[in-house]
Amino acid sequence: AQTVTQSQPEMSVQEAETVTLSCTYDTSESDYYLFWYKQPPSRQMILVIRQEAYKQQNATENRFSVNFQKAAKSFSLKISDSQLGDAAMYFCQIYGGSQGNLIFGKGTKLSVKP
Amino acid sequence: EPEVTQTPSHQVTQMGQEVILRCVPISNHLYFYWYRQILGQKVEFLVSFYNNEISEKSEIFDDQFSVERPDGSNFTLKIRSTKLEDSAMYFCASRLTSDEQYFGPGTRLTVT
Repeated sequence: AQTVTQSQPEMSVQEAETVTLSCTYDTSESDYYLFWYKQPPSRQMILVIRQEAYKQQNATENRFSVNFQKAAKSFSLKISDSQLGDAAMYFCQIYGGSQGNLIFGKGTKLSVKP
Repeated sequence: EPEVTQTPSHQVTQMGQEVILRCVPISNHLYFYWYRQILGQKVEFLVSFYNNEISEKSEIFDDQFSVERPDGSNFTLKIRSTKLEDSAMYFCASRLTSDEQYFGPGTRLTVT
């Protein structure tokens, strides 16, 4: 079974500062993908960044980057130069297995202070 | 960019009534999913669908739930007799192969 743990129910960051959201996971799969999704108040799930487990290089997408530690099964999201529009729920997710199912973490609510 | 669409955006129904939530996945995608998110809680997997049949379902997906892909484009979730605890946001998603899932905007179901 796959599990995803987001240990920070809520985080807060000052506008223009950097914040890191943590995510740990467990899986017996050798081939899997990791994602961070953003869910603003509109509730739509928006893909922020993805990481293929076989790639050692950390994924980067503009102000968003990950620190992927495969041995530690850790997949944290760093948001640089935080903006007010970054305020949302952030879900960590693992995808893999023969059925290709998704497991989400419980989410971290990020607040951005002006 | 292609997108998954869901209708209605908000559905209000009385307890005991049947509801059908509709999704139009991305046209060439092969795998389809329904998730739900009760307000303030995590997103929960309901069911996956591939090759015109359910490939996996969670314990939440009991006999009250069913899915269908009636015409090759729509992917529907039916709840036969809604309960108050079915009130949630329901997300449809689709994917082609080993790639991220494209989520729809969700349908907010309110059972009164």
